[in-house]
Amino acid sequence: GQNIDQPTEMTATEGAIVQINCTYQTSGFNGLFWYQQHAGEAPTFLSYNVLDGLEEKGRFSSFLSRSKGYSYLLLKELQMKDSASYLCAVSLLSNDYKLSFGAGTTVTVRA
Amino acid sequence: DADVTQTPRNRITKTGKRIMLECSQTKGHDRMYWYRQDPGLGLQLIYYSFDVKDINKGEISDGYSVSRQAQAKFSLSLESAIPNQTALYFCATSGPLAGGSYPGTGELFFGEGSRLTVL
Repeated sequence: GQNIDQPTEMTATEGAIVQINCTYQTSGFNGLFWYQQHAGEAPTFLSYNVLDGLEEKGRFSSFLSRSKGYSYLLLKELQMKDSASYLCAVSLLSNDYKLSFGAGTTVTVRA
Repeated sequence: DADVTQTPRNRITKTGKRIMLECSQTKGHDRMYWYRQDPGLGLQLIYYSFDVKDINKGEISDGYSVSRQAQAKFSLSLESAIPNQTALYFCATSGPLAGGSYPGTGELFFGEGSRLTVL
């Protein structure tokens, strides 16, 4: 089975940086997604990593280490609208590319 | 208009009632999924379908059934709803394993969600 762990909650101040870690223990790893989900809404795609290293998209960056089973999502210059849940999801070759999700990290941005 | 549409968006029902949640998509994807989301548990896969003739159980299929009426339509039924099926339900699609933004990845595209309350 898959074991995907991420912290439950994080709090940060507007303008600051927050790093959300995700560790996974899986077989047949293909790639890793990060989704953002505001309360009561659908998850929306943020990033995808398949190779080791850092992918940067504006204020958001995502890092992957395949050998360590580790990823993080970095949110810079935090804004109030970044208050949301962030979901780590692993795509598995061994599971017909279906995604397995972590429980999500709720980030609260305070003024 | 949304590419993946769910109806109803909100539903309150009573224990023992039959409920159907419907999903339609205009993305032309073969793969469709139903997920359930509970606070603190993340997204759990209920059923999935890789084409019209293919239906598979996910992690938590007990108490649920599905129907893939066409490539674009995938409905979820609760034959006899119970209170612990109160949750937020999402339909999702994923594209071909080649082509698109992230071929061969399983990237999911979600509907807006259907909030179901069973009293």
